Amino acid sequence: SAVISQKPSRDICQRGTSLTIQCQVDSQVTMMFWYRQQPGQSLTLIATANQGSEATYESGFVIDKFPISRPNLTFSTLTVSNMSPEDSSIYLCSVASNSYGYTFGSGTRLTVV
Amino acid sequence: RKEVEQDPGPFNVPEGATVAFNCTYSNSASQSFFWYRQDCRKEPKLLMSVYSSGNEDGRFTAQLNRASQYISLLIRDSKLSDSATYLCVVSSTTNDMRFGAGTRLTVKP
Repeated sequence: SAVISQKPSRDICQRGTSLTIQCQVDSQVTMMFWYRQQPGQSLTLIATANQGSEATYESGFVIDKFPISRPNLTFSTLTVSNMSPEDSSIYLCSVASNSYGYTFGSGTRLTVV
Repeated sequence: RKEVEQDPGPFNVPEGATVAFNCTYSNSASQSFFWYRQDCRKEPKLLMSVYSSGNEDGRFTAQLNRASQYISLLIRDSKLSDSATYLCVVSSTTNDMRFGAGTRLTVKP
């Protein structure tokens, strides 16, 4: 399965600022997925990032708040914009791994103060 | 109703016990089913896929009942290292994975 390098692993940010999370995959993948996992909750899909086109956002998530870049088939970024304490969460990127479900990055633990 | 529902847990069991987790899903068009394991402060990792005929991997057995839209995971001879949160995952397409809220398991000496 693919190996994903995600960074930063954690950050503490001031409200009103933005944080960009990066994911690098060791192989070319068509789609990359960005998830949020709030404390004690399961994973919620934010958006699907396709190379060469706009990301597809799930209900409740918008591009202005979570802009995504996908410049090539091995890399993607998610930005959490104009942060508030409610954005404190773990953010994970992932890729499909043939028929074996998803492989996840190690996650970014974000705390907004 | 949530798309994927799991036993809320937590399950606290002694070493050597057998424990079973259940999961139901609402989308009858679901095609792929998985159990993931998530350790505290770590990312989810695939434990096993779930096939229609059921499948076993060592101490772990997964079952799928499409008619009842129900998935189960059985862990035999529990080890301390089995302590984690177990996530039921269901998908209808490659980019439509739906996660249950997870069941927390603690295995005690």
